[in-house]
Amino acid sequence: ETGVTQSPTHLIKTRGQQVTLRCSSQSGHNTVSWYQQALGQGPQFIFQYYREEENGRGNFPPRFSGLQFPNYSSELNVNALELDDSALYLCASSLTGVDTEAFFGQGTRLTVV
Amino acid sequence: AQRVTQPEKLLSVFKGAPVELKCNYSYSGSPELFWYVQYSRQRLQLLLRHISRESIKGFTADLNKGETSFHLKKPFAQEEDSAMYYCALSGITGGGNKLTFGTGTQLKVEL
Repeated sequence: ETGVTQSPTHLIKTRGQQVTLRCSSQSGHNTVSWYQQALGQGPQFIFQYYREEENGRGNFPPRFSGLQFPNYSSELNVNALELDDSALYLCASSLTGVDTEAFFGQGTRLTVV
Repeated sequence: AQRVTQPEKLLSVFKGAPVELKCNYSYSGSPELFWYVQYSRQRLQLLLRHISRESIKGFTADLNKGETSFHLKKPFAQEEDSAMYYCALSGITGGGNKLTFGTGTQLKVEL
């Protein structure tokens, strides 16, 4: 059984650019969620994908978008990067159900300069 | 709107002392509550969930709906308990859980 993996681990982008972050779900998991964790804060829910469809979204603007592929891997895309987008981005995979365990990746540290 | 509050950013205790990490929540329905932990240089992982009503690594947490609390407790702290602890709430919408996290409490167990 493989765990959740994210790439890249670190990334530096310039304000206004676009970025794509990638996540491979844990084997057998059909749901992937993305979180943003600013320094000193808890993770904040961005959105969730279930069977390749968006299944819930947090309080994030449309320039945050995502995809889930048939193999349940996922991408997070952020357009028109702003300085405040600098954060740790976490991917979590799980099975369906509100009481299921979320398995987290190690995160991608994005710095916008 | 759902919210999770962890009032302490840092909690420092001596080894062998009791530990209580506080968590209060705000949610209009019946929430599912979790404690996640992040040890140094490791990824965020589930410690326990209220629906399981189990003790993990000596930790327990009881859901008190009257006080809207889900405090994490351990009678005797160990050095290996030093970590960042996050309380989280999941709503009732379909699909996998969508977690609302608190800001976290850093637990430091001193010798």
